[in-house]
Amino acid sequence: GESVGLHLPTLSVQEGDNSIINCAYSNSASDYFIWYKQESGKGPQFIIDIRSNMDKRQGQRVTVLLNKTVKHLSLQIAATQPGDSAVYFCAESISGNTPLVFGKGTRLSVIA
Amino acid sequence: DGGITQSPKYLFRKEGQNVTLSCEQNLNHDAMYWYRQDPGQGLRLIYYSQIVNDFQKGDIAEGYSVSREKKESFPLTVTSAQKNPTAFYLCASRGQGANYGYTFGSGTRLTVV
Repeated sequence: GESVGLHLPTLSVQEGDNSIINCAYSNSASDYFIWYKQESGKGPQFIIDIRSNMDKRQGQRVTVLLNKTVKHLSLQIAATQPGDSAVYFCAESISGNTPLVFGKGTRLSVIA
Repeated sequence: DGGITQSPKYLFRKEGQNVTLSCEQNLNHDAMYWYRQDPGQGLRLIYYSQIVNDFQKGDIAEGYSVSREKKESFPLTVTSAQKNPTAFYLCASRGQGANYGYTFGSGTRLTVV
């Protein structure tokens, strides 16, 4: 079965609000985590990544939080915009030599 | 521009036919991957290759075959043994170094007619 999963399959947020997308992982040996954004009919695009030696990493309007104690990963999007509407996937890897394992995804819908 | 190109964007297959999906990258990446995505689902690994002339099965390799004769190319053949091939197929590559993330192609949508 999937070793990476999501708590919520769909999320609707008001434009301008902050979004939080959650992800649970089961492999405690995973040391690399990554978030992708996928728009309809397109390939996934890299958003942000984090290694297991970090708890938090920030990018432009996005923040990834890693809680290794409960094996939980989250993506926070500040001031959500209509262009953020997409499916978001988390993925994990044990090392650079093992393929990424993807979760099922969360669909984010932004209400204007 | 460096990138990863998948072709064709749309592909139709008749029952019992083999079809080949193309994936080419000019990023000088060593590793390449094929994933399958069904509607509303995540990505499932079909095959991957860490180096030229070598590849490994992923979670759902049955009914598929690959080759890696060149670093830039990693074609996927969907054989007649694959009973439910209709899906969105994604190719990705990964380079060396600290960034373990993939660069994805734009995908090929395969439909059985």
